Amino acid sequence: EVQLLESGGGSVQPGGSLRLSCSASGFRFRDYAMGWVRQTPEKGLECVSAIGAKGADTYYSDSVGGRFFISRDNYRNVLYLEMTSLRAEDTALYYCAKSTPVGNRPAPDAFDSWGLGTMVIVSS
Amino acid sequence: IRLTQSPSSLSASTGDRVTITCRASQAISTSVAWYQQKPGEAPKLLIYPAGTVQSGVPSRFSGSGSGTDFTLTISWLQSEDFATYYCQQYYDFPFTFGPGTKLDI
Repeated sequence: EVQLLESGGGSVQPGGSLRLSCSASGFRFRDYAMGWVRQTPEKGLECVSAIGAKGADTYYSDSVGGRFFISRDNYRNVLYLEMTSLRAEDTALYYCAKSTPVGNRPAPDAFDSWGLGTMVIVSS
Repeated sequence: IRLTQSPSSLSASTGDRVTITCRASQAISTSVAWYQQKPGEAPKLLIYPAGTVQSGVPSRFSGSGSGTDFTLTISWLQSEDFATYYCQQYYDFPFTFGPGTKLDI
């Protein structure tokens, strides 16, 4: 059974940093692209970042590019999201999500498994 | 790529057939997924690509469309289907989601 467990969320002041982690199990982590999707009641769902299976290809939404950095450790089966220069509008529930199989393409497709999410609050 | 969904909310009864529409701001082939989300839970993938129901999803769910217009149909509503439904495009990054359709009793 696929399991994704996020951690690292919390409260931080504007301008601060956080690192989210997602521990994966139940599948061959190194074979799948992964992503981070955040959700707020106001803005809904937003895919902020994704990474190819090998970690060489990374993708960012315009709202976080240059501030957030995605990475993965295929030996420890962990996905990361380093968030810097945090803003109030980054406040959200952050989900780790596993892509559907994409063969040799680096980018993910849809997300067929999701974690329970970790909450990030940016406030002074 | 912007996605719009209609309606934004929908009231229905068990046994009804309902259709939710998703429209993309540009052609995206069949690169659309549909998700179901219940309160306090993560989204669940129902359909990917546009016309393929995922394994384990009841056959009353179906999807169709290509280009810019897509539909999700639930043919015989069950009590467990009352939830919010989102479309997502994965044609190009940044992947985007529709604003959701809340289906309630």
